Amino acid sequence: GQNIDQPTEMTATEGAIVQINCTYQTSGFNGLFWYQQHAGEAPTFLSYNVLDGLEEKGRFSSFLSRSKGYSYLLLKELQMKDSASYLCAVRYMDSNYQLIWGAGTKLIIKP
Amino acid sequence: GAVVSQHPSRVICKSGTSVKIECRSLDFQATTMFWYRQFPKQSLMLMATSNEGSKATYEQGVEKDKFLINHASLTLSTLTVTSAHPEDSSFYICSARTSSYPTDTQYFGPGTRLTVL
Repeated sequence: GQNIDQPTEMTATEGAIVQINCTYQTSGFNGLFWYQQHAGEAPTFLSYNVLDGLEEKGRFSSFLSRSKGYSYLLLKELQMKDSASYLCAVRYMDSNYQLIWGAGTKLIIKP
Repeated sequence: GAVVSQHPSRVICKSGTSVKIECRSLDFQATTMFWYRQFPKQSLMLMATSNEGSKATYEQGVEKDKFLINHASLTLSTLTVTSAHPEDSSFYICSARTSSYPTDTQYFGPGTRLTVL
């Protein structure tokens, strides 16, 4: 199968930095997405990586290593509103445009 | 850009009735839309892939006669839950796929919370 693994839950302190990891199976890989989902709401798109390296978008950055089947989402200067679930999703070739979703990492921010 | 609307946001209905949910891409054309279901504290579950002008592709275990999907135009897909029962109560979310960069990014509607009494 094409399992996407990410930690179930993480806790961090307001103002700090947190890194959320995601690992996936590399065969047929064709892009990786990160989404944020607040409780009771739909996911919102955060970032996309298809080549190795770091993509920076304000306080959020996403990194990809295709050879290792590994990505992380880095959140800096954490704010209370960053408390949410973060979903890693992978696009594979010949997937009929579907994404394979991780179960999500629930991030809890403490004052 | 890439805004997706979904209506209604919340619906309460009696057991045995049918409920129709609309998903619209407001500022882009979406040849492919997806319907998901999410139970509390669980991950997204893909129900079906909706392609404009053709039949939807359903995931294993999803009854196509119960969850009717119509993708009549490049901006509208509808999901009808027929003869709804309490076990169908869930959060239903649609997404629309964009063909512009980043290709295949899915943009989500705000979701519909269905409660069947």
